[in-house]
Amino acid sequence: DGGITQSPKYLFRKEGQNVTLSCEQNLNHDAMYWYRQDPGQGLRLIYYSQIVNDFQKGDIAEGYSVSREKKESFPLTVTSAQKNPTAFYLCASSIGRADEQYFGPGTRLTVT
Amino acid sequence: DAKTTQPPSMDCAEGRAANLPCNHSTISGNEYVYWYRQIHSQGPQYIIHGLKNNETNEMASLIITEDRKSSTLILPHATLRDTAVYYCIVRVPLSSGSARQLTFGSGTQLTVLP
Repeated sequence: DGGITQSPKYLFRKEGQNVTLSCEQNLNHDAMYWYRQDPGQGLRLIYYSQIVNDFQKGDIAEGYSVSREKKESFPLTVTSAQKNPTAFYLCASSIGRADEQYFGPGTRLTVT
Repeated sequence: DAKTTQPPSMDCAEGRAANLPCNHSTISGNEYVYWYRQIHSQGPQYIIHGLKNNETNEMASLIITEDRKSSTLILPHATLRDTAVYYCIVRVPLSSGSARQLTFGSGTQLTVLP
């Protein structure tokens, strides 16, 4: 079955540690996205990538980093510089010219 | 992207049609209406989109008024699994070679009651 996988579903880290969230898709989609969702709120874009080896900052990129070495993979690193990292993180992908985005199940990160 | 207004919550009896309204009075001529939903603690799911004609797919129907200032998402036979937050988004579709973010507002919490 084609789809987007994110792992792990729940992640706990101590303050000051970097953590990397995984996102893999086998839909052959060109574009991939990382969003953050806080309780009771909508989505905010962190980073997006249109093609391999290229990515752009979204609205709230500070404290985050990404890489896009393969079409299928778009990992997100939450660095210690991110002031409020506890959130629900969602990865999505879309065909380059299509507007429907397909989302993964999300990773809930808790930093204490 | 045009601003949208949705009621914060709605209830619907199981098996009945759920009609979710969205106002987008500032919509411009080249903007489409998109609907997504998000079940609690899961990723959002694309439902349907349209420009000015009514649209139907296996999940839902989208009715857009003639002046395009509002629309209604219809789930014809709601089930308990349709309980979710439904988001109405108005935006210009992607141009060639570009990728675009989705901006979700607060949406409508639909609760399907047994």
